Amino acid sequence: AQSVTQLDSHVSVSEGTPVLLRCNYSSSYSPSLFWYVQHPNKGLQLLLKYTSAATLVKGINGFEAEFKKSETSFHLTKPSAHMSDAAEYFCVVSPSNFGNEKLTFGTGTRLTIIP
Amino acid sequence: EAGVAQSPRYKIIEKRQSVAFWCNPISGHATLYWYQQILGQGPKLLIQFQNNGVVDDSQLPKDRFSAERLKGVDSTLKIQPAKLEDSAVYLCASSYPGQGAQFNYGYTFGSGTRLTVV
Repeated sequence: AQSVTQLDSHVSVSEGTPVLLRCNYSSSYSPSLFWYVQHPNKGLQLLLKYTSAATLVKGINGFEAEFKKSETSFHLTKPSAHMSDAAEYFCVVSPSNFGNEKLTFGTGTRLTIIP
Repeated sequence: EAGVAQSPRYKIIEKRQSVAFWCNPISGHATLYWYQQILGQGPKLLIQFQNNGVVDDSQLPKDRFSAERLKGVDSTLKIQPAKLEDSAVYLCASSYPGQGAQFNYGYTFGSGTRLTVV
């Protein structure tokens, strides 16, 4: 069984300040972990993924995440928020890295950027 | 390359009516998924196809939902009869097995069909 818990349903930060979106996971396997972003009325876009290689993963648009097995966490960060980062973010777990397995999504974190 | 195509974009129906959604995956993607995303929640897998065979339909409410992928390409998802709680965005995704190790992860979502049941 696998699951993810996104610890904050809503995060607000000022433009230019750091972003931290928190995610804890549970998995019976060595999981693959992902962060997806969903802008209003748009499809889901992959930000980054972890598949048992480097524990610090860099993604698109300046986002990165660190896999910490001891803490079962995969938090998403960005040094400086931009207005275009306002969206819904989903932490996702999969049992494999083959790209054809079921994805289990968290409940999402809505990121608001304050001008 | 073209993305995952879904239609219609929006649909409003009355409860107890039927509705169908269509998905055309990325060319060459053998695996196709339907996810349901209820407002305020993350997407939940309804059914997964490998070519034209069902891999996982454990979360599909089979008394009212059905899906098919007859030729291993396009897929349709049907709801009959619809209930108020079926109001959601229905997302189709496709993937090509074996591409997961690369950053250009072969799992692509369509823009979804927003269903409102009144």
